[in-house]
Amino acid sequence: NAGVTQTPKFQVLKTGQSMTLQCAQDMNHEYMSWYRQDPGMGLRLIHYSVGAGITDQGEVPNGYNVSRSTTEDFPLRLLSAAPSQTSVYFCASSFAGGWGNTEAFFGQGTRLTVV
Amino acid sequence: QQPVQSPQAVILREGEDAVINCSSSKALYSVHWYRQKHGEAPVFLMILLKGGEQKGHDKISASFNEKKQQSSLYLTASQLSYSGTYFCGTVYQGGSEKLVFGKGTKLTVNP
Repeated sequence: NAGVTQTPKFQVLKTGQSMTLQCAQDMNHEYMSWYRQDPGMGLRLIHYSVGAGITDQGEVPNGYNVSRSTTEDFPLRLLSAAPSQTSVYFCASSFAGGWGNTEAFFGQGTRLTVV
Repeated sequence: QQPVQSPQAVILREGEDAVINCSSSKALYSVHWYRQKHGEAPVFLMILLKGGEQKGHDKISASFNEKKQQSSLYLTASQLSYSGTYFCGTVYQGGSEKLVFGKGTKLTVNP
């Protein structure tokens, strides 16, 4: 099994550009989330989903959009990139029933630099 | 709202013990613990459900005090491989759709 796959691994954007960070899992997980990691800030929740067609905002959603058209995919869109969005982005997934009882499976991360 | 981890950083010599704490202002359903090496994704260590149970993973164990909404991670006889950043992740009661992480504790184990 591939697990949770994130693409690309590295990306440099210019301010104002848009892009989509891809996240795909092949474990039939219902729960998926996007986090950003910045030095000293830990992992902060951007958006999350509990199944296809259902998404909601996390702690730091501004500047990001998500959609969940299939169980497998949960793309994160940056609408107009800003230097403050320079970060490492992690996608995570978990079995149905929520994060309460089961571990989070993480992708390998996308390192994004906005210049 | 992120849970609060303490301390922010710990430096140990090989063989020494450490305790990392995680506290929440909201009622918790469960607490996760993860370790992250530099440049890698977080790796799952254990999950504790409300009920105050204590779990173990090799020489790493954890407890969950439901009344205080606190969890502690215990690392005994530390090894060089224990170095990394440790994160607690919390699931609030009535909110199992979200996993919220603390800011992390950087652990350095020296020879």
